[in-house]
Amino acid sequence: EVQLLESGGGFVQPGGSLRLSCTASGSDFSTYAMSWVRQAPGKGLEWVSAIRRSGTTTYSADSVKGRFITFRDNSKNTLYLQMNSLRADDTAVYYCAKEWTYMDVWGKGTTVTVFS
Amino acid sequence: QSALTQPASVSGSPGQSITISCTGTSSDIGGYNFVSWYQQHPGKAPRLMIYDVSDRPSGISDRFSGSKSGNTASLTISGLQADDEADYYCSSYTSDSTLLFGGGTKLTV
Repeated sequence: EVQLLESGGGFVQPGGSLRLSCTASGSDFSTYAMSWVRQAPGKGLEWVSAIRRSGTTTYSADSVKGRFITFRDNSKNTLYLQMNSLRADDTAVYYCAKEWTYMDVWGKGTTVTVFS
Repeated sequence: QSALTQPASVSGSPGQSITISCTGTSSDIGGYNFVSWYQQHPGKAPRLMIYDVSDRPSGISDRFSGSKSGNTASLTISGLQADDEADYYCSSYTSDSTLLFGGGTKLTV
């Protein structure tokens, strides 16, 4: 069974950048799409982005469009989220998940805190 | 796009059945059979319970069932157990090629 592990979270000032990574176990990473979902403290789930298995097509929520870039390296079984121009309302636990119209495997999440 | 609409909370006694609704529009729930439901216990990652409106992943109890009528999807949990107490979220694919979540429903058993 696939397992996902996020990393790269931390503290950053408004306007700063951070890159999250999500590494998948197993050998079939290139056969499925991947997603990022976030959850602000005490709030519900918010879909952030998705990327098709080849990496050539991505989809993003309006709230992050133009600031966040989703990409993947199938040779390293790794998904990335490059977050630029961070704002206080980007503070959240960020989860990576397998697939995207439904997400059947989730990582444990990594916390991003944007503060001044 | 606005989040899908779910009741903030529902409750039931052990052994009873409850239903959680999730209302959207013809651009999301009503237009596609890509509705899924997630369970989340405090401090834990979400867990997929239902996908494609009514399909259950391997390992999910048949006490959990999903359905859809028009722009509203529903999750029914029968034979409530203490461990079912959690937050539940619906999600749907949209005509903008995005994914929308509901605001979440807190289930108290």
